[in-house]
Amino acid sequence: GAVVSQHPSWVICKSGTSVKIECRSLDFQATTMFWYRQFPKQSLMLMATSNEGSKATYEQGVEKDKFLINHASLTLSTLTVTSAHPEDSSFYICSARVSSYEQYFGPGTRLTVT
Amino acid sequence: GNSVTQMEGPVTLSEEAFLTINCTYTATGYPSLFWYVQYPGEGLQLLLKATKADDKGSNKGFEATYRKETTSFHLEKGSVQVSDSAVYFCALRSGGGADGLTFGKGTHLIIQP
Repeated sequence: GAVVSQHPSWVICKSGTSVKIECRSLDFQATTMFWYRQFPKQSLMLMATSNEGSKATYEQGVEKDKFLINHASLTLSTLTVTSAHPEDSSFYICSARVSSYEQYFGPGTRLTVT
Repeated sequence: GNSVTQMEGPVTLSEEAFLTINCTYTATGYPSLFWYVQYPGEGLQLLLKATKADDKGSNKGFEATYRKETTSFHLEKGSVQVSDSAVYFCALRSGGGADGLTFGKGTHLIIQP
């Protein structure tokens, strides 16, 4: 089946620095990828929709200048958390759309900002 | 806006017990409904789906029926196994295929031998 990977799986960074998270579709091409954020014991919250070759579409309340998304190729989307603060610590999950009704999810990236 | 409400966990059952995890939703229009499962250390996997009212999704012994009149999509399995221990997420998608999903909080299922 289709596989989506994320790198890194866990990252610790200092407050004020930026960190980039990669999401790759390993054996298929995805024109659309999604980024979600999950707090402990909470549901996944959709942050943005990433479309290859165009600007990402952000959900209401998500700061696009803080969470920069780039979908430069059909197999790679990146999420950069700029000027990270402790409140940005969370579990970030990406998914790649493979059909009208199916998305394949990556294993997630745990970000800890100290 | 869209929302999904599912029973809080953890839910602990003995092997071979009957499982029900409740899920209700609020959405505009006619959403598609999904159950995803997340095993420890792995990404979410689609378990089953239903795209219109009265559809029944099924997979690996799990079933869920899209009930528009009660806005529900409860997950059931007749006889659970230890290997079914995981976190289960109910989700919906309204609109076209390019839309992201709205998830419930997830239900942690623990099956004891």
